[in-house]
Amino acid sequence: GAVVSQHPSWVICKSGTSVKIECRSLDFQATTMFWYRQFPKQSLMLMATSNEGSKATYEQGVEKDKFLINHASLTLSTLTVTSAHPEDSSFYICSASGQGAGEQYFGPGTRLTVT
Amino acid sequence: GENVEQHPSTLSVQEGDSAVIKCTYSDSASNYFPWYKQELGKRPQLIIDIRSNVGEKKDQRIAVTLNKTAKHFSLHITETQPEDSAVYFCAANRDNAGNMLTFGGGTRLMVKP
Repeated sequence: GAVVSQHPSWVICKSGTSVKIECRSLDFQATTMFWYRQFPKQSLMLMATSNEGSKATYEQGVEKDKFLINHASLTLSTLTVTSAHPEDSSFYICSASGQGAGEQYFGPGTRLTVT
Repeated sequence: GENVEQHPSTLSVQEGDSAVIKCTYSDSASNYFPWYKQELGKRPQLIIDIRSNVGEKKDQRIAVTLNKTAKHFSLHITETQPEDSAVYFCAANRDNAGNMLTFGGGTRLMVKP
């Protein structure tokens, strides 16, 4: 149980284009989904928290107009990196949390490379 | 807000030895402390967690201890094996509703055969 999928697993895009990443909880209803980015050899940095049907809460320093998050259902959240630039290249990982307090289950991550 | 410090940043042990990773947290309201293992290029996987109502939890070769007074918790791996080599992250929840986590900086564990 507690399986989270993420798509695509990797993407290469040109500078200035937008990229959408999907995160799905496959066997449970995720009341909350989280989006992290991880640079090489660094820890997980929370970007935003999203609850189904409501606006995402962004961490300080994360541009909400650049990183658009939609949590349309209890099993799907999307992150759109708009007007991507090379400095946005990173490993983006989502996680999902159900009703239980604390447990987060991670997706496999999406490696974004902006050329 | 919550701040989680993790030490050491790298740890090299001989196969069969024990490994200990320590974390401290700042928010006394935190009550959930998971540990994740992340292999290169893969997702973090929950390996063990502990809640503030207990001081120790064990699962085969892995154990976690929690000292609420001192606000620190530790991961203990006994009889290490090469497949234990990975990056380990501790975390603490930010609010006692439990869902948001703050992660430590990670420990790269290398188990030498």
